[in-house]
Amino acid sequence: EVNLVESGGGLVQPGESLRLSCAATGLAFSNYAMGWVRQAPGKGLEWVSTMSGSDGRTYHADAVQGRFTISRDNSKNTLFLQMNSLRAEDTALYYCAKYRGYWPGWTFDIWGQGTMVTVSS
Amino acid sequence: QSALAQPASMSGSPGQPITISCTGTSSDVGAYNYVSWYQQHPGKAPKLMIYDVSNRPSGVSNRFSGSKSGNTASLTISGLQAEDEADYYCSSSTSTNTWVFGGGTKLTVL
Repeated sequence: EVNLVESGGGLVQPGESLRLSCAATGLAFSNYAMGWVRQAPGKGLEWVSTMSGSDGRTYHADAVQGRFTISRDNSKNTLFLQMNSLRAEDTALYYCAKYRGYWPGWTFDIWGQGTMVTVSS
Repeated sequence: QSALAQPASMSGSPGQPITISCTGTSSDVGAYNYVSWYQQHPGKAPKLMIYDVSNRPSGVSNRFSGSKSGNTASLTISGLQAEDEADYYCSSSTSTNTWVFGGGTKLTVL
């Protein structure tokens, strides 16, 4: 069974940084593209970032481009999201999710339980 | 990267069918057959219900079906049940190497 466990969330002030981690078990991690999706309190889902399984391709939403960086360590089955210059509007529950399928038809099929990020002074 | 358009809320009685629409553009929904649908119960992570417009993952009830015409995709639930009450989100790959979600539809089973 595939399991994704996020960590690293917390309360930070505007302008500060945070690094989220997602530990994956039960899958050949490097075979799968992975991504981050966030959900602000009481709001809908918003795609944030995506990284391919092994060739290093990355993609970021316009809202986080230049501030957030997605990366992965396939030797440790772990996905990361480095978040810099955080803003109040980045406050959300951040989900790690695994993709199924083949490019360009990647679809999120397995989700973690999320880690909460709160940006406030 | 504008969100796909979904009705904010819908409701139906047990046993009735219901269809949720998801409208995008020729750069997302209309570009590929890569529309997916997610169900989210309060306080829970989203669950994949439909992928590639009309395919159901293993374990998802066959009461759930998907379709697409042009720039609009649809999720149909036949025979509503109490446990179907949840938020539903559509999603699509886009022609600009991004992904986009719909705003979500809150489904109430009366």
